[in-house]
Amino acid sequence: GNSVTQMEGPVTLSEEAFLTINCTYTATGYPSLFWYVQYPGEGLQLLLKATKADDKGSNKGFEATYRKETTSFHLEKGSVQVSDSAVYFCALARQAGTALIFGKGTTLSVSS
Amino acid sequence: SQTIHQWPATLVQPVGSPLSLECTVEGTSNPNLYWYRQAAGRGLQLLFYSVGIGQISSEVPQNLSASRPQDRQFILSSKKLLLSDSGFYLCARQGAQETQYFGPGTRLLVL
Repeated sequence: GNSVTQMEGPVTLSEEAFLTINCTYTATGYPSLFWYVQYPGEGLQLLLKATKADDKGSNKGFEATYRKETTSFHLEKGSVQVSDSAVYFCALARQAGTALIFGKGTTLSVSS
Repeated sequence: SQTIHQWPATLVQPVGSPLSLECTVEGTSNPNLYWYRQAAGRGLQLLFYSVGIGQISSEVPQNLSASRPQDRQFILSSKKLLLSDSGFYLCARQGAQETQYFGPGTRLLVL
């Protein structure tokens, strides 16, 4: 079945460090892929998405490229800030009109 | 704009008591709506989804139920809460390209 695997956290970084959060997926066909961010005590916010192979989603300095050959959608940011501290979820669209399948989330903690 | 409201924001309930969580959506008609639960330290678990009034699909058998009495209203209920029902409940609607947009959530603590 379809599934998403993302790296275990927590990830602890200093401000301005480079960030990578790995995400791989298992799916039939080519599902749309997403990264969501959850700040403490809040709901999930869409961070970026990619709908087909080789697409790069980007937002707020974060990027992720849809790699069908490695079935991956790793999240990267060149220079993290304290305000980026949050939980990050990778997700895929199971099929049109149904729910997303989420990874377990990766907690990022950035210190100044 | 399309906004999702959830009520209440926080709830503390004793074991065995009933539950009713409300989700309302503004700015869109006939949206697909979803209830997820996020337990402490875990990812999101899909509980129910609805493609229209009175149409509910359950993903996980449990003591929770859902109803959609109006186009933009989605309710999560229980007759008797269990300790394991504690968690963060999120309502979501579907947008374009399978993107889901989430409400602010309801934090439920069952004691």
